[in-house]
Amino acid sequence: QVQLVQSGAEVKKPGASVKVSCKASGYAFTSYTMHWVRQAPGQRLEWMGWINAGNGNTKYSQKFQGRVTLTRDTSASTAYMDLSSLRSEDTAVYYCARDVVHYYDSGAFDYWGQGILVTVSS
Amino acid sequence: SSELTQDPAVSVALGQTVRITCQGDSLRSYYASWYQQKPGQAPVLVIYVKGNRPSGIPDRFSDSISGTTASLTITGAQAEDEADYYCSSRDSSGDVVFGGGTKLTVL
Repeated sequence: QVQLVQSGAEVKKPGASVKVSCKASGYAFTSYTMHWVRQAPGQRLEWMGWINAGNGNTKYSQKFQGRVTLTRDTSASTAYMDLSSLRSEDTAVYYCARDVVHYYDSGAFDYWGQGILVTVSS
Repeated sequence: SSELTQDPAVSVALGQTVRITCQGDSLRSYYASWYQQKPGQAPVLVIYVKGNRPSGIPDRFSDSISGTTASLTITGAQAEDEADYYCSSRDSSGDVVFGGGTKLTVL
């Protein structure tokens, strides 16, 4: 069965960076686009960007352009999200999510990681 | 506007039909998808691109579009349908955007 398992919760100070991992199993990792979505407490979901797990191409939300970097390790079937220059407003649950259509960015996500809480606090 | 607007809360009697709406200019150009989210859990995709349902999603979930308003309809709501529902689509730059969510209460 398809599973996306994310790394554990993080606590960071303002100005620091965080790198979150998302290990995929149960499907051909390189055949699907992986997206990253976050949700601040009590807020709406917020899309951050995607990475084509096959060729490594990326697209970032304009809001996060310059602060987020998406990478992947095909040998480990793992995607990574790196967010820099953290501020308190970045405190949120961060999810990886697989695109529902293989080899495509459909903008819809059928499998999600469990989510991890990143807390930014001095 | 690239924003998607949803009613904050909707209620429905058990077994009745409820419609959850999502309004946004981008819906003239892009399909809507819908997610169900229960407290402390990751979202679950219930409808995507032209009314497709992922496997395991009951057929009581359906969608429709009229102009700039997309709707998710639950026909015969069940207690387990109580959750937050989010619509998503794209803005003019192609970025995925989400609505503010609708809290569905099943009475």
